[in-house]
Amino acid sequence: NAGVTQTPKFQVLKTGQSMTLQCAQDMNHEYMSWYRQDPGMGLRLIHYSVGAGITDQGEVPNGYNVSRSTTEDFPLRLLSAAPSQTSVYFCASSYWDRGDYGYTFGSGTRLTVV
Amino acid sequence: AQKITQTQPGMFVQEKEAVTLDCTYDTSDPSYGLFWYKQPSSGEMIFLIYQGSYDQQNATEGRYSLNFQKARKSANLVISASQLGDSAMYFCAMREVLTGNQFYFGTGTSLTVIP
Repeated sequence: NAGVTQTPKFQVLKTGQSMTLQCAQDMNHEYMSWYRQDPGMGLRLIHYSVGAGITDQGEVPNGYNVSRSTTEDFPLRLLSAAPSQTSVYFCASSYWDRGDYGYTFGSGTRLTVV
Repeated sequence: AQKITQTQPGMFVQEKEAVTLDCTYDTSDPSYGLFWYKQPSSGEMIFLIYQGSYDQQNATEGRYSLNFQKARKSANLVISASQLGDSAMYFCAMREVLTGNQFYFGTGTSLTVIP
């Protein structure tokens, strides 16, 4: 089925470890984003991309890197994990030039940093 | 200033009753879209309803309707005939052309339906 595929669904990291959260979509969406969700804080934008080769920072980019080498993939890299990065991470995609089009979300990654 | 404000952290409603979840927004862009998403305890984000800034009529999708009051900048979600499965977090979001079609989310409202 068409949609946004996020892996892994669960991950436990030790402080200082690095890892990559994968996100892939097959809907030819230009716009892809990464959010983190923490209790009482809603969804906070980490990084986003409006097309291959173009990325930009969101509200909470520190400690995270992204790249967009293809339209389909938008991986999120944690450089040196910290307990403050314990959160649920969502990848989402949409058309860029369709203001009437909402996000399609991945199923989320629950990350715990110990 | 917050782009999207949801002032109700938690709401309770009796089964079969209607409930309104509040959302106000802040934009100077004449062209924008408003969205509601549902997040059940399983965690996935489910799109519910969309309202465009130029739409004359309130959007409806089954038991969901959006009470769009443009002058007051409010986009409240109305759920009619609540069901136990409606218990979830609900997020209001706006997409604004002026900022490159960026999305802005509220902090959410937790709805509990009481049998």
